[in-house]
Amino acid sequence: KAGVTQTPRYLIKTRGQQVTLSCSPISGHRSVSWYQQTPGQGLQFLFEYFSETQRNKGNFPGRFSGRQFSNSRSEMNVSTLELGDSALYLCASRRSYQGARTYGYTFGSGTRLTVV
Amino acid sequence: GQQLNQSPQSMFIQEGEDVSMNCTSSSIFNTWLWYKQDPGEGPVLLIALYKAGELTSNGRLTAQFGITRKDSFLNISASIPSDVGIYFCAGPTQGGSEKLVFGKGTKLTVNP
Repeated sequence: KAGVTQTPRYLIKTRGQQVTLSCSPISGHRSVSWYQQTPGQGLQFLFEYFSETQRNKGNFPGRFSGRQFSNSRSEMNVSTLELGDSALYLCASRRSYQGARTYGYTFGSGTRLTVV
Repeated sequence: GQQLNQSPQSMFIQEGEDVSMNCTSSSIFNTWLWYKQDPGEGPVLLIALYKAGELTSNGRLTAQFGITRKDSFLNISASIPSDVGIYFCAGPTQGGSEKLVFGKGTKLTVNP
């Protein structure tokens, strides 16, 4: 079956612009999470969506937002980009949101965002 | 917040050697996950541990859930060049939020 698909793979934006990243989860997976990966901070949780509702949110400013559609596809948006937003943004999906043994997240290959 | 401390940060080994890395926390975790990330790719789940004391294998990989629930270990036996990558431990935070927290990773280099 197809894996988690993230588009685009690479993106270069100018400081102050906004960006939208897309994630298509594995078929049948209804939960989508987003992570930011940087060399200094490692993998940091942004947010998780399930059934079109944000279930969890990490410690990121309000410039970072997301949404999930009825087909479980998700987008994240970063407004007023800063140089420090340059990172690999990873999307991960899992079949359900809570319960034991539901942590089998499958990650996409990520979107490499460079802010100049 | 809950943090995971991984060690060592990096390892340089010869092909065929065994590898051990660990992950510790000051907080209790009810689940431990081990992921591997290849360059330019997302992390891939290797092993999931759900019970204190549990020992689970996946081919040449073996991971253990520490009995204190504050640590976990990953061993790789007879390393091969394709084992190169960054290995992360991860676990869901407590308090009902269930978001994953990741260690900073152990970078493994295997010399043929």
